[in-house]
Amino acid sequence: NAGVTQTPKFQVLKTGQSMTLQCAQDMNHNSMYWYRQDPGMGLRLIYYSASEGTTDKGEVPNGYNVSRLNKREFSLRLESAAPSQTSVYFCASSVTSPYNEQFFGPGTRLTVL
Amino acid sequence: QKEVEQNSGPLSVPEGAIASLNCTYSDRGSQSFFWYRQYSGKSPELIMFIYSNGDKEDGRFTAQLNKASQYVSLLIRDSQPSDSATYLCAVKGSSASKIIFGSGTRLSIRP
Repeated sequence: NAGVTQTPKFQVLKTGQSMTLQCAQDMNHNSMYWYRQDPGMGLRLIYYSASEGTTDKGEVPNGYNVSRLNKREFSLRLESAAPSQTSVYFCASSVTSPYNEQFFGPGTRLTVL
Repeated sequence: QKEVEQNSGPLSVPEGAIASLNCTYSDRGSQSFFWYRQYSGKSPELIMFIYSNGDKEDGRFTAQLNKASQYVSLLIRDSQPSDSATYLCAVKGSSASKIIFGSGTRLSIRP
């Protein structure tokens, strides 16, 4: 039982390049989330998927797209990377319950030059 | 006003003492409240959640919720150096399934 896994762990991009961050969970959770975390700041929600087949914008969606491929997988795509997108990206998942406790993956550290 | 506010710290507490971490939130309809611990360079780890007014205890940790004052706190008894980390308060609001995080309080336990 791996929980939430993310790939890659580290990535360096040049401005304008594109890439996809992958996330998978094996806990049979319905909801999945993408956050970014910048120094001195909390987690900011980029996009979330309350259930398979649905996605919604969070607090900071500009410059990102997502795909909920199936119940297990939720990917985050940067179409044209910018230095402002340098951050640590966390994927999380939760059961659909009144309490929505979330479980996090190990994170992807992204640097855009 | 931020939706979830925490003092950024650092909060320095001697080993063996009680550490008290506080969080306020703006959405009066908020339903669930979470405390995550995050070690430097690691992902957040859920340590407590609470949804009813009052106290909830789990080992050395106690979460306290006061919905009338829109205030949630985390007490850590018998603080250990391994408790040194950033503690994130998170609140599930009255709408949708998303959770809003505070910016975290950095806790340092000094031997």
